[in-house]
Amino acid sequence: EAQVTQNPRYLITVTGKKLTVTCSQNMNHEYMSWYRQDPGLGLRQIYYSMNVEVTDKGDVPEGYKVSRKEKRNFPLILESPSPNQTSLYFCASGDGSSYEQYFGPGTRLTVT
Amino acid sequence: DAKTTQPNSMESNEEEPVHLPCNHSTISGTDYIHWYRQLPSQGPEYVIHGLTSNVNNRMASLAIAEDRKSSTLILHRATLRDAAVYYCILRTGSGNTGKLIFGQGTTLQVKP
Repeated sequence: EAQVTQNPRYLITVTGKKLTVTCSQNMNHEYMSWYRQDPGLGLRQIYYSMNVEVTDKGDVPEGYKVSRKEKRNFPLILESPSPNQTSLYFCASGDGSSYEQYFGPGTRLTVT
Repeated sequence: DAKTTQPNSMESNEEEPVHLPCNHSTISGTDYIHWYRQLPSQGPEYVIHGLTSNVNNRMASLAIAEDRKSSTLILHRATLRDAAVYYCILRTGSGNTGKLIFGQGTTLQVKP
């Protein structure tokens, strides 16, 4: 089954404690990206990757890091989380032909 | 980035057609029109996309105005499962071609 998986699905953490949210896709997609969803602001792109070892900033990259060492994985790293990063995070992947994108189930992060 | 304008909410009766409008008056010649929907507690799900011509797939139809400044997503027979937030999105055909700019979307309610 074609899918994008994210882990963990829920996370409560404290300010400053480094964390990683994993994202994996099984469709051999070249394009992967991370979004955050906040009430009243919709979904905003954080980072994206057009292929292995190729990453770039989206609209709201501050406070986040990503890496793309393998085609299937695109982890999101928060080196020093702050309360304003409390949000619902979605990972997405797509191919280059139709750009139909598949979204993961979301990770709800709370930073206290 | 070009923006889209959608009504905040719409209602429909089950098994009736639904026409969801979207205005995108600043669309550029290389922008694709995409529609995604987000069911409660899930990630966004691809519905359909097009560039200039009307498009049909198993989920819906997309009617694009001749000047491309507006489009309409058509659900031919709404079901209760179609209750969701529907996003009309412009995706650029150059640069960060996978980036989806989500607006506020239209919340569709389907009444039995």
